[in-house]
Amino acid sequence: AQTVTQSQPEMSVQEAETVTLSCTYDTSESDYYLFWYKQPPSRQMILVIRQEAYKQQNATENRFSVNFQKAAKSFSLKISDSQLGDAAMYFCAYRTYTSGTYKYIFGTGTRLKVLA
Amino acid sequence: DAGVTQSPTHLIKTRGQQVTLRCSPKSGHDTVSWYQQALGQGPQFIFQYYEEEERQRGNFPDRFSGHQFPNYSSELNVNALLLGDSALYLCASSTGPGNTIYFGEGSWLTVV
Repeated sequence: AQTVTQSQPEMSVQEAETVTLSCTYDTSESDYYLFWYKQPPSRQMILVIRQEAYKQQNATENRFSVNFQKAAKSFSLKISDSQLGDAAMYFCAYRTYTSGTYKYIFGTGTRLKVLA
Repeated sequence: DAGVTQSPTHLIKTRGQQVTLRCSPKSGHDTVSWYQQALGQGPQFIFQYYEEEERQRGNFPDRFSGHQFPNYSSELNVNALLLGDSALYLCASSTGPGNTIYFGEGSWLTVV
C-alpha cells in the first residue's frame, strides 16, 4: 500500500527567506501524481502545486517549486521569498489508482510559521 | 464561478445520533470525494461518487454512507455517531474521477 511521510511537524522561516518542506512516499507504481496542498486557519485545502511522475522536469508555480526525486521517492516543496500569508499547514499527497478510480493519500502535514 | 460549497459549516451532535452533510461541487465538476480529517491529522479518504455511484471506498465502516444526485451534488451520512467521528469532513470535486480534486471549506462535526 502507498504511504506518504512528512517528517517535519513544524518549520519556521523568516519573511522573504526560503524554506523547504520534505515529503517521502512509498509506492510500487510507475506512473502517478504528487501534490502539495496548503491548509490555512480557514481550513480550506488549497492546491499549491502538482507533479506528474513521468515528467522529469520539476514543477514550478510562481514562488513555489518542487524537487522531485523519483528514484529516492522524495517530493520536497520549496517556498521562495516567504510571505506572512504562506503561514499554514502544508500537506503532501499521492494520488493512487485503485479499483477503477482514484484516491488521494495524505501525509500528516507540516505546520509552517512565517516570522516577521 | 462558485467553488465547492459545503453545509453546514459547524454542527454538534450527540453520540448515537445520525448526521447528514451536504456538498455542491465546483461548476463543471461531476465527481465528488469525501475525506475525514481528524485534529492534527491529514485527510483520510472515505469514498468517491461518480455517475451517482460509489466508485471506491476507504477504510470506513458501513455507518458511513453517501449519495450523489443527478445535479452532481452529494451527501455524506453517518449513523450511530461515536465520539471518534468528531472531525472536519471535507468534500472535494473534480472533472472526472482521474483529475485533480478541489476542496470545499469543510463541515466541522463535534460529537458529544
